[in-house]
Amino acid sequence: NAGVTQTPKFQVLKTGQSMTLQCAQDMNHEYMSWYRQDPGMGLRLIHYSVGAGITDQGEVPNGYNVSRSTTEDFPLRLLSAAPSQTSVYFCASSYHLGGRTDTQYFGPGTRLTVL
Amino acid sequence: QKEVEQDPGPLSVPEGAIVSLNCTYSNSAFQYFMWYRQYSRKGPELLMYTYSSGNKEDGRFTAQVDKSSKYISLFIRDSQPSDSATYLCAATDNYGQNFVFGPGTRLSVLP
Repeated sequence: NAGVTQTPKFQVLKTGQSMTLQCAQDMNHEYMSWYRQDPGMGLRLIHYSVGAGITDQGEVPNGYNVSRSTTEDFPLRLLSAAPSQTSVYFCASSYHLGGRTDTQYFGPGTRLTVL
Repeated sequence: QKEVEQDPGPLSVPEGAIVSLNCTYSNSAFQYFMWYRQYSRKGPELLMYTYSSGNKEDGRFTAQVDKSSKYISLFIRDSQPSDSATYLCAATDNYGQNFVFGPGTRLSVLP
């Protein structure tokens, strides 16, 4: 198993540009999530999904969109990049059995800089 | 106030020392508690996972949860230079749809 994969590893954007961060998992996990990690702030949840076609907002959803058309993929879209979105982005996945999410497995991260 | 608080460190100890890492939390609904280890420029990886109050041991690592005081601890025995990393505590409720992470403690184990 490849586990959780993320592309790209690094990205530089100009203010106002849009882009999509890709996330895929091959563990047949129902639950997938996106976090951003900033110094001193820890990991903050952006959006999550408990299955294909179901998404919900986390702690810091503004400026980001997600969709979940398949179990394997959970892309994160930045609509109009801002310098405040400079961060390291992590995707994670886990089982979600009986309405309960198990512990999460993280991808390697995408380092995004917005100029 | 963040729901999970953690001293960011950095914490430096000599090889072989016992390390104590701690977190506090404020949400009484939290039932599941986790410790993740994150090496520089890598994603977090799960170390320990406990439910409610009590201790759990795995090799050199012991996790403790005291729900009465809302206190989470991770102990590392016989610490090694390879333990040098940032340690994140996390908590979630019974439904597990919203994990809350502490900011992490950076640990350096010196040879």
